[in-house]
Amino acid sequence: EDQVTQSPEALRLQEGESSSLNCSYTVSGLRGLFWYRQDPGKGPEFLFTLYSAGEEKEKERLKATLTKKESFLHITAPKPEDSATYLCAVQAFDSNYQLIWGAGTKLIIKP
Amino acid sequence: GAVVSQHPSWVICKSGTSVKIECRSLDFQATTMFWYRQFPKQSLMLMATSNEGSKATYEQGVEKDKFLINHASLTLSTLTVTSAHPEDSSFYICSASKGGETQYFGPGTRLLVL
Repeated sequence: EDQVTQSPEALRLQEGESSSLNCSYTVSGLRGLFWYRQDPGKGPEFLFTLYSAGEEKEKERLKATLTKKESFLHITAPKPEDSATYLCAVQAFDSNYQLIWGAGTKLIIKP
Repeated sequence: GAVVSQHPSWVICKSGTSVKIECRSLDFQATTMFWYRQFPKQSLMLMATSNEGSKATYEQGVEKDKFLINHASLTLSTLTVTSAHPEDSSFYICSASKGGETQYFGPGTRLLVL
């Protein structure tokens, strides 16, 4: 069964304290792995799509990496505005483009 | 690019009435649109997938006669909650996809049924 597990559930950091969020997955044929950011009361905001093991993508203080079993979202020197819930999702080749979602990691950056 | 809008952003209605939510892709043509429901502190739950000009495919447990989805054009999909009841109160979010892979989400619509 296709499954996505995110850890930790919540993470509190001081401003400037770098860390990583984990997304472990099992899927029968990965078409893509997606990272989104969701602020309270809003729809998810697209961050990255990763397609194959070894791929890396960066955007400002965020960097996403992918292996055959997991993905990491590295946050470098975070700022309070990076506080949000970060969602990971995978899409299988035989899925009609549907996403399988993790439960998310709630990130809180304290000034 | 890849901006998706939803209207209204929030709506309050009386039990038994119907509510229509619009989802528009503003700067791209969306071959596929998705409708989700999200409960507090939970992840997104897919309700249905729709392709332009075709009938929507509903997920198991979602009543197609209650949640009517129309995807009449490549930039517009609508979700109508018919005969709404308090248990239908939720946060409804749509997403749109250019070619099926990356989904771009709207800001969501909060529905409160009294």
